[in-house]
Amino acid sequence: GDSVTQMEGPVTLSEEAFLTINCTYTATGYPSLFWYVQYPGEGLQLLLKATKADDKGSNKGFEATYRKETTSFHLEKGSVQVSDSAVYFCALYYQAGTALIFGKGTTLSVSS
Amino acid sequence: SAVISQKPSRDICQRGTSLTIQCQVDSQVTMMFWYRQQPGQSLTLIATANQGSEATYESGFVIDKFPISRPNLTFSTLTVSNMSPEDSSIYLCSVAPRGDTDTQYFGPGTRLTVL
Repeated sequence: GDSVTQMEGPVTLSEEAFLTINCTYTATGYPSLFWYVQYPGEGLQLLLKATKADDKGSNKGFEATYRKETTSFHLEKGSVQVSDSAVYFCALYYQAGTALIFGKGTTLSVSS
Repeated sequence: SAVISQKPSRDICQRGTSLTIQCQVDSQVTMMFWYRQQPGQSLTLIATANQGSEATYESGFVIDKFPISRPNLTFSTLTVSNMSPEDSSIYLCSVAPRGDTDTQYFGPGTRLTVL
C-alpha cells in the first residue's frame, strides 16, 4: 500500500546550519505531497505542498521539490533558527478531500 | 485556509467514562476528518465525518467506540467512549475547505489523558 518514509530523528543542529530532512514515498500513482510542522504543545500547521512532479513548495525559508524519478520530497532550509525546533511530518494523498497518509515524523532540535 | 477550533483543548478523564470533542470551522467545508496521535507517534485517521450521514471509519476503529456527528458543514464532534489509558492521545480534526480541497488544515488538537 501507499506509504511515506522519513529519516529517523532526532536531528540536532546548531543555529544557522543547513537542514535536510529526507522523505520518500511509495505510491501507485501521482499523489500530492505535503510537509506539516508541529511545534511543541501545538497542532499541525501546513508548511508547504507540491501537487505535481517538479513542483517546488516553499514557505518560511523551507523548500521541497517533488521528484517523481526518485519518489522523494526532501525538506531543506539553508539556515535554521532555534524557533524551527519542532516535529516535521511528510504526508501524501491522491485525491482532493481524502485522508492524508503521514510519515512517522522527524524531530528537529536547534541550539544557539 | 480555514480557522479551526477544538474544545476542550485538554482533559484528564477517569477510566470507563466518555469525552466528547468538538470541532468548529469558520467557514463551510467539504470534508472533515478525525485523527489520533498517540504519544510520540504519527497521525492515524480514525474516520471521515460525513455531513448528514454516518461517518466512514478506518480499519481498527468502530462507531461504538468513537461515535461521530456532523450536523452541518462547519461543525463535528468525536466521542471517545468507555475510555481506557490506551486512549490517551491527541485527537485532531482536519478540514478540506471548499475552493481549496487539495489541502487539509488541522485544528489545535485535544490532549486527552485517561487515568
